[in-house]
Amino acid sequence: DAKTTQPPSMDCAEGRAANLPCNHSTISGNEYVYWYRQIHSQGPQYIIHGLKNNETNEMASLIITEDRKSSTLILPHATLRDTAVYYCIVRPYYSGNTPLVFGKGTRLSVIA
Amino acid sequence: SAVISQKPSRDICQRGTSLTIQCQVDSQVTMMFWYRQQPGQSLTLIATANQGSEATYESGFVIDKFPISRPNLTFSTLTVSNMSPEDSSIYLCSVVVADTGELFFGEGSRLTVL
Repeated sequence: DAKTTQPPSMDCAEGRAANLPCNHSTISGNEYVYWYRQIHSQGPQYIIHGLKNNETNEMASLIITEDRKSSTLILPHATLRDTAVYYCIVRPYYSGNTPLVFGKGTRLSVIA
Repeated sequence: SAVISQKPSRDICQRGTSLTIQCQVDSQVTMMFWYRQQPGQSLTLIATANQGSEATYESGFVIDKFPISRPNLTFSTLTVSNMSPEDSSIYLCSVVVADTGELFFGEGSRLTVL
């Protein structure tokens, strides 16, 4: 079973920041937070991951609370192409290569 | 990163037939996984394709229905056997890139069973 809870859907105006929350209150010390997204009819795409420090890459920023029980994915300037289902997943990093367990994700709609 | 090619990308099949989906990776990978995504749903793990041994199936999935082959470190197949309309789904192959631990996905194979 997925160990994360996300809102089922969110809207965001084009050009604004999209902030997608995720609760993972039972996360273990060796588990990372991963974010993937799935644009319609495509395979899931990796976005970012982190352990306890905030992370940023060319796609997004990941803010993890100090107690690690929740996190927020930030798309700084959302575009229409960011419309997708976003999945927050917890998983050990070097763990013998375990698969991802997907929850229901958040359907983000970016509106012009 | 890893480039994953799945074939077929889509197919329409008749009830009672079987279809084999191929997954080809552009580099050697240790772990390969097969997922199913039913219409409007999230991804569900079917099995881990083990090279040189039998696949490891998740609860609710059995080898007779979803036989898997993994002849080498770059290739795997998933067969959906004796199909029914309930098998209409997108089937996705996923691999782990060892040096980063990231998982990459193919574009999926969309099956429609009539």
